[in-house]
Amino acid sequence: KQEVTQIPAALSVPEGENLVLNCSFTDSAIYNLQWFRQDPGKGLTSLLLIQSSQREQTSGRLNASLDKSSGRSTLYIAASQPGDSATYLCAVYGTSGTYKYIFGTGTRLKVLA
Amino acid sequence: EAGVAQSPRYKIIEKRQSVAFWCNPISGHATLYWYQQILGQGPKLLIQFQNNGVVDDSQLPKDRFSAERLKGVDSTLKIQPAKLEDSAVYLCASSGQYNEQFFGPGTRLTVL
Repeated sequence: KQEVTQIPAALSVPEGENLVLNCSFTDSAIYNLQWFRQDPGKGLTSLLLIQSSQREQTSGRLNASLDKSSGRSTLYIAASQPGDSATYLCAVYGTSGTYKYIFGTGTRLKVLA
Repeated sequence: EAGVAQSPRYKIIEKRQSVAFWCNPISGHATLYWYQQILGQGPKLLIQFQNNGVVDDSQLPKDRFSAERLKGVDSTLKIQPAKLEDSAVYLCASSGQYNEQFFGPGTRLTVL
């Protein structure tokens, strides 16, 4: 059974710092991995999608990497800003031939001005 | 391109009452998902449709929850009767090419 873990559960950093959020999964036979941002009381906003054949994706100050063999993905946020404060969730899709997403519990990020 | 639409945004009901949520996915997206998200947790898949067929409903409490996607476009999720533990945010998402998911704003349900 696929399990997705995100550590740490919460993180506070000063503005301007570069930071890395981690996502681990137990079954490496995935089709893709997606990172999301969730603001309080809101739905999820898609940040980056990495397909199994890709190693990384970039969008603005965000860079996500995928290492299927080790069951890990990282989300790198450069020059963090207070507006980056939110919960960040990763989800893996297509574990061992299934066709659904399994989510981690998220990392709650606070960027201090 | 319009995003995923959901209504209502908020709902408060008494336990044992019934409630229904509506979702309209992004145009052309064949796959539609309903998730339940309890505070502090990641979303849990309740049911997944491919066009108007069910792909996965293994975590749907079928004694009280039901969902349909008529004509393969919009969908409704119903709870009858509601329990206190059903208080959560109900999220709808859709995906198209490459299975990238896009979410609606969610419906926050409070059961008293």
